[in-house]
Amino acid sequence: AQKVTQAQTEISVVEKEDVTLDCVYETRDTTYYLFWYKQPPSGELVFLIRRNSFDEQNEISGRYSWNFQKSTSSFNFTITASQVVDSAVYFCALSEATAGNQFYFGTGTSLTVIP
Amino acid sequence: ETGVTQTPRHLVMGMTNKKSLKCEQHLGHNAMYWYKQSAKKPLELMFVYNFKEQTENNSVPSRFSPECPNSSHLFLHLHTLQPEDSALYLCASSQDWDRGYNEQFFGPGTRLTVL
Repeated sequence: AQKVTQAQTEISVVEKEDVTLDCVYETRDTTYYLFWYKQPPSGELVFLIRRNSFDEQNEISGRYSWNFQKSTSSFNFTITASQVVDSAVYFCALSEATAGNQFYFGTGTSLTVIP
Repeated sequence: ETGVTQTPRHLVMGMTNKKSLKCEQHLGHNAMYWYKQSAKKPLELMFVYNFKEQTENNSVPSRFSPECPNSSHLFLHLHTLQPEDSALYLCASSQDWDRGYNEQFFGPGTRLTVL
């Protein structure tokens, strides 16, 4: 079974719209970490955020915000007032404290922001 | 030099060729990774090296042979590949392997095409 599910394969929004990317994870570990990465067309995955399982506080960084809810095993990512530069593939990943630093990635959500 | 570099960026090879991919990290990290990224699939972890020792080999065919001469350099030697091996090969590094909370830093990848 896949540990990280990103059900949205592709999303298109018009510039300045808000968009939420969904991530649902599955683990039996009590200590785990969740990550979001951005992959622009250049190919390099860029680290955006890490969350540990003991910290359910939502986080905001500029136009980006993350909503971590253990009750629904979700770690969703919202971009406010989207811009063309936000166009990329976004990956959610999970690592478990008992599994070294092995990351389990979702299949990614391709976001296109239309000017 | 930026964090993680990979060469070449693009590679086309025949099934009988032998080639090597190179990765170098300038972050002082102790763990390095090879991933394979195919369309519509999650990133597949291939190999992990921690302090130059291989810690993970996720059932990768022997036509892929990794080499880690020191903590800063990682190679992937390729021989007698198949067309289905065509993909983006990503290198990453992290502070170490033992703790699941270390974010991984990625290189730009090598786009490999096997004819």
